[in-house]
Amino acid sequence: DSGVTQTPKHLITATGQRVTLRCSPRSGDLSVYWYQQSLDQGLQFLIQYYNGEERAKGNILERFSAQQFPDLHSELNLSSLELGDSALYFCASSAPGLAGGPDTQYFGPGTRLTVL
Amino acid sequence: GQQLNQSPQSMFIQEGEDVSMNCTSSSIFNTWLWYKQDPGEGPVLLIALYKAGELTSNGRLTAQFGITRKDSFLNISASIPSDVGIYFCAGLPYSGAGSYQLTFGKGTKLSVIP
Repeated sequence: DSGVTQTPKHLITATGQRVTLRCSPRSGDLSVYWYQQSLDQGLQFLIQYYNGEERAKGNILERFSAQQFPDLHSELNLSSLELGDSALYFCASSAPGLAGGPDTQYFGPGTRLTVL
Repeated sequence: GQQLNQSPQSMFIQEGEDVSMNCTSSSIFNTWLWYKQDPGEGPVLLIALYKAGELTSNGRLTAQFGITRKDSFLNISASIPSDVGIYFCAGLPYSGAGSYQLTFGKGTKLSVIP
């Protein structure tokens, strides 16, 4: 158990709909990262938040958005869903690394999104 | 975006055999991480490498950060059935203070035959 929680575990919805995925980071971690994992693309970085502020953006579509709340949990909003958005969505969290070095990211169990 | 070339894509080995997999990149990374993912679960961190040339062990697992900073390998000794899963390498370039975008390899699927 990494200490990162994600809900829901599974989500089935229809094209054109909007969904919200939720992530609670490990206790004390300020950074939250979102990743998408599909069979053909592997794990792709979407976006990072640090203490409530957006820190980095990866291959995130304009139909997707995220935010991190004051209690540090994060939500990923996916709208106008398409069949190709079906994937596993992972959240990871991290604390500052030793001596200011790189953080180590710990992953949650993921949300499996199926768009029909 | 950046891509890591991870090989082999899949491996079938006998229980007790040693396993080796590696990742290469055309660009430099400052950190290499190795994760294992079981079906339906999130990736679990196995080993983190922070310095070029660093060799780190975690039980039967050993990983090295290549001198050129463009490659890393993971060895598993005396494999057991629970080693089955997908192993991912991930690289972390330095891209600004507090910004750490992991780039993942496509994974090595390991199957262990009892």
